[in-house]
Amino acid sequence: DAVVTQSPLSLPVTLGQPASISCRSSQSLVKSDGNTYLRWFHQRPGQSPRRLIYQVSNRDSGVPDRFSGSGSRTDFTLNISRVEAEDVGVYYCMQGTHWPFTFGQGTKLEI
Amino acid sequence: EVQVVASGGALVQPGESLRLSCAASGFTFSSRWMSWVRQAPGRGLEWVANIKEDGTEKLYVDTVKGRFTISRDNAKNSLYLQINSLRVEDAAVYYCVLGGRADFWGQGTLVTVSS
Repeated sequence: DAVVTQSPLSLPVTLGQPASISCRSSQSLVKSDGNTYLRWFHQRPGQSPRRLIYQVSNRDSGVPDRFSGSGSRTDFTLNISRVEAEDVGVYYCMQGTHWPFTFGQGTKLEI
Repeated sequence: EVQVVASGGALVQPGESLRLSCAASGFTFSSRWMSWVRQAPGRGLEWVANIKEDGTEKLYVDTVKGRFTISRDNAKNSLYLQINSLRVEDAAVYYCVLGGRADFWGQGTLVTVSS
């Protein structure tokens, strides 16, 4: 299985300051179709996860532009330019290239 | 509005069976892969199974192969997960998810396994 490792697992931040989460895969996430299926999800306490970013850097509709994704092959990053109070919760990266699809352990963002 | 509503979770004993259901609306169900993903209490996310639009292709994570069966009824816009031989480690919130790569998540249904 492709192992996906996130860091840090806990991320204390100050409102208005930037935040960054790393996601590393044990295998390249470039699929034979040329796409890289790396996604980011956000789960607020007591809620279901919500997709933020797909294929490394594409923001979903309604996701603020302070969120951005980058990276390639095995190394990826989620950046939040200025953290707001509503950003608290757990962030997961997920690889959808190799079956079984796998998630990182999650990064808990706290204000 | 896209909705996927899971149901059927319960408190069961080890070795028993359970069938989870998911009612979908707001999109063309028969044109989309669907998935089940689970989350043990206080833990991370684990993919369980995927099913192709017409039900002809099914994928399972190794830990559930032979015990779980994913299925769908496109006429009823419904997704199912038959869980047999339940184990303590199967206890989790089970999410019905739109898309083969988790495009949209509904609220989950809780499966508790305890003797």
